[in-house]
Amino acid sequence: KQEVTQIPAALSVPEGENLVLNCSFTDSAIYNLQWFRQDPGKGLTSLLLIQSSQREQTSGRLNASLDKSSGRSTLYIAASQPGDSATYLCAVCSGGYQKVTFGIGTKLQVIP
Amino acid sequence: SAVISQKPSRDICQRGTSLTIQCQVDSQVTMMFWYRQQPGQSLTLIATANQGSEATYESGFVIDKFPISRPNLTFSTLTVSNMSPEDSSIYLCSVGVRGNTEAFFGQGTRLTVV
Repeated sequence: KQEVTQIPAALSVPEGENLVLNCSFTDSAIYNLQWFRQDPGKGLTSLLLIQSSQREQTSGRLNASLDKSSGRSTLYIAASQPGDSATYLCAVCSGGYQKVTFGIGTKLQVIP
Repeated sequence: SAVISQKPSRDICQRGTSLTIQCQVDSQVTMMFWYRQQPGQSLTLIATANQGSEATYESGFVIDKFPISRPNLTFSTLTVSNMSPEDSSIYLCSVGVRGNTEAFFGQGTRLTVV
């Protein structure tokens, strides 16, 4: 059974700082890994999708890496802004087509 | 990609009643899933909605509590039956498109049971 762990559980940083969110998973036989953003009481916004054959993906200030063999992914946020404050979820697709297992998330607060 | 419309976006319900949540997709999709997110927890898969047949439930979830319908390739419903305060959660619909391993999510239904 796939298990996804995210560290840290919460993070508070001053505006402008670069930061790294970590995700680890137990079963390396994955189809892909997605990073999502969730605002309080809201649904999910997809940020980045990394296919199992890829090592990284970039979108604007966001960069996600994937090391499938070690079961790890990182989400790098450059020059953080208060609008980045949200919970970031790591989700791994494995064990069934398009079924995903989620981590509990990292709650990020960017202080102006 | 797929655009997902989920209704209602939120509701407050009395215990013992039932609520049906609708998920409408703008294109035909192969897979439809329902997830639950309890307060302070991550998302947990409830079931896979199968078109024209009974849904496939994950461990810990049963049809009597969470009946699901999927009459066609673009629509599904999840009913939360005989609700208790423990059912207060965000419920999310997710879809998969053939040839694309990405999962797409609706904006969720925030349910509060009082």
